[in-house]
Amino acid sequence: AQTVTQSQPEMSVQEAETVTLSCTYDTSESDYYLFWYKQPPSRQMILVIRQEAYKQQNATENRFSVNFQKAAKSFSLKISDSQLGDAAMYFCASAGGTSYGKLTFGQGTILTVHP
Amino acid sequence: DTGVSQDPRHKITKRGQNVTFRCDPISEHNRLYWYRQTLGQGPEFLTYFQNEAQLEKSRLLSDRFSAERPKGSFSTLEIQRTEQGDSAMYLCASSVQGENIQYFGAGTRLSVL
Repeated sequence: AQTVTQSQPEMSVQEAETVTLSCTYDTSESDYYLFWYKQPPSRQMILVIRQEAYKQQNATENRFSVNFQKAAKSFSLKISDSQLGDAAMYFCASAGGTSYGKLTFGQGTILTVHP
Repeated sequence: DTGVSQDPRHKITKRGQNVTFRCDPISEHNRLYWYRQTLGQGPEFLTYFQNEAQLEKSRLLSDRFSAERPKGSFSTLEIQRTEQGDSAMYLCASSVQGENIQYFGAGTRLSVL
């Protein structure tokens, strides 16, 4: 069984500043994947970044990076140089590596970007 | 590649009616997933297909819910005798086996009056 917890219902950031979204998880699997998905208002969910648990190096995708702390079961998302288009609901999710990729999502964090 | 397509985008129905949603995955994606998302919450897994086989159903999926993927391409999700508690966004996603990245459709928003 997997659980994902996002303790920040809302976050805000000034344009061009940096913001970090928190996520903790729990899993009984030794092999798993962690994801951050972005869901803009009334638009479809898109993948922001993926981390494979067996890799110690933190994943990076342009302005988005993660801080993966396996022992602490923590997986935070850092957004650098925030842009107005980053405003959305962000979901942290996990998937067991031995399964078929079924995602378990957190409750989400609404990110507001102020100009 | 037009992405995952869901139809309809919005559905309003009266309690007790049956509704059916359709999902067209990205072509050649053999895995297809259905999730339900209520307002302000994260999506919850409902069911999963690999090709035409339905391999798992969540306990959230009561007997009133049924899903099919008859030819391993598009999928339908039917809700019989709808209840107000069924009001939610129903999301479909697809992926390629071994890729572990799911691509989501825009969803079907169901409102049960």
